[in-house]
Formats: sequence, C-alpha cells, structure tokens
Amino acid sequence: QTVVTQEPSLTVSPGGTVTLTCASNTGAVTGGYYPNWFQQKPGQAPRALIYSTTNKHSWTPARFSGSLLGGKAALTLSGVQPEDEAEYYCLLYYGGAQPWVFGGGTKLTVL
Amino acid sequence: QVQLVESGGGVVQPGRSLRLSCAASGISFSSYAMHWVRQAPGKGLEWVAGISYDGSNKYYADSVKGRLTISRDNSKNTMYLEMNRLRAEDTAVYYCARVWEGLGLDYWGQGTLVTVSS
Repeated sequence: QTVVTQEPSLTVSPGGTVTLTCASNTGAVTGGYYPNWFQQKPGQAPRALIYSTTNKHSWTPARFSGSLLGGKAALTLSGVQPEDEAEYYCLLYYGGAQPWVFGGGTKLTVL
Repeated sequence: QVQLVESGGGVVQPGRSLRLSCAASGISFSSYAMHWVRQAPGKGLEWVAGISYDGSNKYYADSVKGRLTISRDNSKNTMYLEMNRLRAEDTAVYYCARVWEGLGLDYWGQGTLVTVSS
C-alpha cells in the first residue's frame, strides 16, 4: 500500500521561513512523481499552489516555492503571513491503475 | 471565469445509491481530464477517481473500485460520479477538480456533502 507522509504540524513566526515535506514509502520522491501542493483553510475547498514540483499557478503568491529536498518533495514559505495559517496537502503521481495519492496534510500555525 | 459546481449530495442510507454531478463553465471542458477527490469530516483529502478528457480512460482508488463509477458528458460540460452500495465510510465532502498540464490539479469546485447514515 502506497503511503505519502507529511509532518502533522508545524509552527512558524510571522515573517519567518518554513519548509514542509512530502515523502513516499516507495522510495525517494523525484520529478517523475509530479508533486502538487494545495492549501486548505477551514470550511473552504482546497486551493492549488504548486504543480510538477516547482511550477506555480497564476494565483500562487511569490513567497511559495516548490522543490525536491533530500529525497522528498518540499514546499517552502518565505516571509510567512498570518493568512498562510492553513492545512497543506501534497499529491504524488504513481501511474498505474490508482495513479494519485495525497499526503496526510500538515497543519501550519503562524504564531 | 472558470467554475466547477458539484451537486447531488445528500443523506442516503447504507447500501443505497447516489449520483453526483460536476458542471463546468468557463473552460473547454472536453479538453481536460477531471478528477473526484473526497474529504471525510475532520480528515484529509483522498483521491477517489479520474477520467481522461474523452472518457476513454478511468482510474479509481482501491477503496471505491467496483462501487463508484466516473463518467462524463462533454456535450453537457458535466462529469458524474455514480455511487452504489454506499457505506458509512463514504461519508465525505466530494470535490471535482480539473487536471492542468496533464499532471496537476488547478481548479476545484466547492464540494457537495454526502452523508451515509441510517
């Protein structure tokens, strides 16, 4: 069974920098997993931030960036704003009959 | 602007059926693959099913295979999720999302709540 793991929770100070990661139990995450990142605030639908590891959507704020780090996909927030407090999910592509798996999510607190 | 609007959710008894719809506007619907994603109350996101732009390829999570069926009608700019033999664990908000650049999800609907309860 494929499992995608994220930090359950992280805390960052306003103006600080934080990196969220996304790991696969099948091995190192590479660009071939086309990592996606999403932000979800309470009571709202998810909002897409990053696709194919590093690509931003037209609405993604510049302070969000995606990368690969130590065998994991990573989402870095630089100059964190209070409105960045949210749940963040990664999504990896495995191909085959069940191609997509979400991570369990990271609850980011800005404090 | 792009809009995805889900409908068809509600309260249904275990073992019964339900059909969800996702109506798209503001996009060339027939050019894009689409997915369904669900979120149980207080839980994370779970990918459920996906369908290619022309409906020729369909993909399902193991947890729903054989009970849920994804389909689309490009003439109506609408995607569907036929849900049969519903279980309590199918209780969730169901979202539809567009596939962007072949391997990313960009636009999402606001979701429709399905509650399976006797």
